[in-house]
Amino acid sequence: GQNIDQPTEMTATEGAIVQINCTYQTSGFNGLFWYQQHAGEAPTFLSYNVLDGLEEKGRFSSFLSRSKGYSYLLLKELQMKDSASYLCAVISIRDGSSNTGKLIFGQGTTLQVKP
Amino acid sequence: EAGVAQSPRYKIIEKRQSVAFWCNPISGHATLYWYQQILGQGPKLLIQFQNNGVVDDSQLPKDRFSAERLKGVDSTLKIQPAKLEDSAVYLCASSSTSTGGNTIYFGEGSWLTVV
Repeated sequence: GQNIDQPTEMTATEGAIVQINCTYQTSGFNGLFWYQQHAGEAPTFLSYNVLDGLEEKGRFSSFLSRSKGYSYLLLKELQMKDSASYLCAVISIRDGSSNTGKLIFGQGTTLQVKP
Repeated sequence: EAGVAQSPRYKIIEKRQSVAFWCNPISGHATLYWYQQILGQGPKLLIQFQNNGVVDDSQLPKDRFSAERLKGVDSTLKIQPAKLEDSAVYLCASSSTSTGGNTIYFGEGSWLTVV
């Protein structure tokens, strides 16, 4: 089966750095996404990792270790507007012949940024 | 380019009534997903289409939920009869490929309240 785990809630201070971890167990792994979701809104894309290593994009970075089934999202210079839910999602290929991927989400980590 | 369009945005119905949601994906996107997101949880995949064929509907409650994508473009998701626990946001997403990449886009969601 497939399983994605991430902490339910985190709190951090404005201007600080926070790391949100995600562990997964899946067959046919074909990439990991991080999405940001503000209350009452749809998820918006933050990052995509398919190879091991760190991908940096402005204040946000995402890391992947396929051998450990582990990823993290790093947010630097936190701002109040970063208060949101952060969703880890994995694409797995279920049928090798058709190469059709399935996108499965974790429960999300609610981040609260305090002044 | 236009994004994923969904309607209606909000719907309130009584239990045992029926409801239908419509999704128009981004032009040219072959893969279409319907997710159910209950408050405080991550999105749960209900059904995935590749063109007009169903790729995965393993988590679709088929006794009350149905979905179709007859011409491989627009899709409708129907619930009949609705239960209180169906109160959630129904997210439609589309992708140009089925194997990953940063090409999965979400609509704004259809918010359902069953009373």
